[in-house]
Amino acid sequence: GNSVTQMEGPVTLSEEAFLTINCTYTATGYPSLFWYVQYPGEGLQLLLKATKADDKGSNKGFEATYRKETTSFHLEKGSVQVSDSAVYFCALSGLPGGTSYGKLTFGQGTILTVHP
Amino acid sequence: EAGVTQFPSHSVIEKGQTVTLRCDPISGHDNLYWYRRVMGKEIKFLLHFVKESKQDESGMPNNRFLAERTGGTYSTLKVQPAELEDSGVYFCASSQAAGRAEAFFGQGTRLTVV
Repeated sequence: GNSVTQMEGPVTLSEEAFLTINCTYTATGYPSLFWYVQYPGEGLQLLLKATKADDKGSNKGFEATYRKETTSFHLEKGSVQVSDSAVYFCALSGLPGGTSYGKLTFGQGTILTVHP
Repeated sequence: EAGVTQFPSHSVIEKGQTVTLRCDPISGHDNLYWYRRVMGKEIKFLLHFVKESKQDESGMPNNRFLAERTGGTYSTLKVQPAELEDSGVYFCASSQAAGRAEAFFGQGTRLTVV
C-alpha cells in the first residue's frame, strides 16, 4: 500500500536559516504529492503540491520538487521566519480513477520552531 | 466563503460514554473525508463520503465508530462506547466533485477519553 515517511522532528532553527524537511514515499504509479501545514490553533492548510514527476510546487517561499527517481518530495525554504513555526505534513494521493484517489496518505508530521 | 467547520473543538469524555463529532463541509463539496491523528503519529484516513454514500470506509477502526452524512450535507462521526485509545484529533476535509484531489480541512476536534 501507499506510505509516506518524513524526517523526524522537532526541528529548531534561527530566523533566516535554511530549512529542509525530508519526505519520501512508496506508491504505485505517479501519485500526487502535497505538503500541508498546521499553524498553532488552526486546521491543516495546503501549502503546495505537485502532480507529476519533476514538477516543482511553491508557495510562501517554500518549494518542493517531485523526484520520481528517488521517490522524494523534500520541502525547502531559503530563509525561515518566526511565523513559519508550525507542523508540516507530507502527503500523497493516489491516481485518478483509482480507489485511493482523493484519499490522502500522510507522513507523521514534523514540528518546526523558528526562534528570533 | 466559509471553510470546513467542525464541532466541538474539544471534547473530554469518560471511557464507555458516547461522543458525536460534527463536520460541515464547504458548500457544494460532494466529497467529505474523516481522518484521525493519534498521539503525534501520522494522520490516518477513516472514511470517504461522496454525497450521502460511503465511498470508502476501509480506515474505520472497528464497529464502535459510525459515520453518517444524511442528505449529503454535514456529517457526523459517533463513537460508542468510547475507549481510551480513541483519544486523538479528528479532522474532516471536503473537496469538489469530479475527482479533484485538493482537500480543505477543518480545525479538527480534539477528543480525550479518560
